Amino acid sequence: GAGVSQSPSNKVTEKGKDVELRCDPISGHTALYWYRQRLGQGLEFLIYFQGNSAPDKSGLPSDRFSAERTGESVSTLTIQRTQQEDSAVYLCASSRRVEAFFGQGTRLTVV
Amino acid sequence: GIQVEQSPPDLILQEGANSTLRCNFSDSVNNLQWFHQNPWGQLINLFYIPSGTKQNGRLSATTVATERYSLLYISSSQTTDSGVYFCAGNTGTASKLTFGTGTRLQVTL
Repeated sequence: GAGVSQSPSNKVTEKGKDVELRCDPISGHTALYWYRQRLGQGLEFLIYFQGNSAPDKSGLPSDRFSAERTGESVSTLTIQRTQQEDSAVYLCASSRRVEAFFGQGTRLTVV
Repeated sequence: GIQVEQSPPDLILQEGANSTLRCNFSDSVNNLQWFHQNPWGQLINLFYIPSGTKQNGRLSATTVATERYSLLYISSSQTTDSGVYFCAGNTGTASKLTFGTGTRLQVTL
């Protein structure tokens, strides 16, 4: 596609429910990143995929968070048993070599 | 991991003024990039600048890799320049892009 696409744009969920966030990278981009941004804060690294290599999961904050990517296509970030502290904007980026391009983000609100 | 500090944290300018934003790294970095996050939250890639100087319109950036810093210059600022500016980089074989703390810029009329 023309740009990185994330869905949904907004998600409101009840505490304790599971959520899935989706990221469609730019076609041909081998690298894909997930970041979390709390209100008024910077970008917190979550996970990085590069081609078929093992992902860098060092930023996942707890075992409630997981992400998958098949090949160089779509990625899903799953948060199980959501907590209010999970409320944030979840940003996805992709890159072909170095320069990263971001999607518009998914705003997650846990009530 | 590397630490990335940006200064100043906040900046208010009148339209037409110039400004310099700074990014300091705790260790050598590769793939230094500057981003602008507009008031609607969208992150736009401004520069990929591992070393040297680049210019794009009213914006330019300089990275001195040996001294572990990068500068972003904004000339003749406009209200549309408002938002948060982030720098980011990675080190060696590390994969993740580490982001700085950001500089929040407000340009007023």
